[in-house]
Amino acid sequence: DAGVIQSPRHEVTEMGQEVTLRCKPISGHNSLFWYRQTMMRGLELLIYFNNNVPIDDSGMPEDRFSAKMPNASFSTLKIQPSEPRDSAVYFCASRKSGRPTDTQYFGPGTRLTVL
Amino acid sequence: KQEVTQIPAALSVPEGENLVLNCSFTDSAIYNLQWFRQDPGKGLTSLLLIQSSQREQTSGRLNASLDKSSGRSTLYIAASQPGDSATYLCAVRQVKTSYDKVIFGPGTSLSVIP
Repeated sequence: DAGVIQSPRHEVTEMGQEVTLRCKPISGHNSLFWYRQTMMRGLELLIYFNNNVPIDDSGMPEDRFSAKMPNASFSTLKIQPSEPRDSAVYFCASRKSGRPTDTQYFGPGTRLTVL
Repeated sequence: KQEVTQIPAALSVPEGENLVLNCSFTDSAIYNLQWFRQDPGKGLTSLLLIQSSQREQTSGRLNASLDKSSGRSTLYIAASQPGDSATYLCAVRQVKTSYDKVIFGPGTSLSVIP
């Protein structure tokens, strides 16, 4: 398996623009997580899907952020409009779920810079 | 609310030394505890996962212990090598909520000097 795939790997945009980050989880995994990592706040969970359904979006910073999972093999995280404080590395992770031994597998991340 | 802390924040050791990284958590109602490694510019890679009923797990030169009652875990790295240089994060998977949630610590940045 190719692992969790994220695109783009790097994104530079100007304040006010819409940004869409994409994630393809590992086939057969039914949980998907979006995280944001910054030096100041560390790794923060933004939203968690189980069987394509958003379970907890309490980590989404504000209404400018939205996430979708239209099917088991694809998810998007959208920021509209983007702001400089959104600059961070965004990770997607997937997990088979269920058993205590199941681990999350992380993608390589998308480094977002908002100018 | 579960809080996960890690000490030290950064550590620099000469090659060959044995070292210990510490992780503390405030709520002992956990499914498991996991140690991850993150290389610069990369995602996280799972190193060891300890279930709540276990005391320790070993993989090669790595040994992780768990003391749920005191809310502590340690990651022991034997005979450190420059290739071990990375950030190490611990994460706890909770059970109290209607679904399980993983909370990450801030990480320990390790540098092994040749």
